[in-house]
Amino acid sequence: GAVVSQHPSRVICKSGTSVKIECRSLDFQATTMFWYRQFPKQSLMLMATSNEGSKATYEQGVEKDKFLINHASLTLSTLTVTSAHPEDSSFYICSARRGLAGGTQFFGPGTRLTVL
Amino acid sequence: AQKITQTQPGMFVQEKEAVTLDCTYDTSDQSYGLFWYKQPSSGEMIFLIYQGSYDEQNATEGRYSLNFQKARKSANLVISASQLGDSAMYFCAMREGGRNTGFQKLVFGTGTRLLVSP
Repeated sequence: GAVVSQHPSRVICKSGTSVKIECRSLDFQATTMFWYRQFPKQSLMLMATSNEGSKATYEQGVEKDKFLINHASLTLSTLTVTSAHPEDSSFYICSARRGLAGGTQFFGPGTRLTVL
Repeated sequence: AQKITQTQPGMFVQEKEAVTLDCTYDTSDQSYGLFWYKQPSSGEMIFLIYQGSYDEQNATEGRYSLNFQKARKSANLVISASQLGDSAMYFCAMREGGRNTGFQKLVFGTGTRLLVSP
């Protein structure tokens, strides 16, 4: 399968700071990437769809000013959690869609964010 | 209403046995896709198998097969010859809309935790 990486895998930060998470598709170009959030023992919830060269599409209830998404190239999307608070602590997973519309999404290994 | 329903929070199976993980879905679209992903304790989501709504044959990938019953709106995952490494969370997901539409979001079920015992 296709390879998607995320960095960092774990991050601990103080409340009020910003954290940037990178998602890279290593062996294919991805015009569309997706950002998910997963709370312990729960399913994945889509936060936003990131399209290369255009603004991200956020799901209802997700604050776009708090979760900044930048898809600057066909292999890189970043999620920045701004002014993080303890309630932002979660497991964040990105996925990249290979090919055109309808292609399978391949997931990164996830980033565990802990805000103190 | 839940779009994807996984009614088994946990399943147990002995090594080398087969196991079926249930998934039912709800959609009014004629064209859609169904996926199964595996999430081990490390957290990564591993793609296992895909079934398109117009695919006439059940999808198979090695030890994984998808029992697709369109009229019942079910897409159960069958794992044959279970291995200890199969212990993980398993998520069923659906993509609504056809392959050529821009609507490509995946909706996930709540998952089933599979434990394979020796």
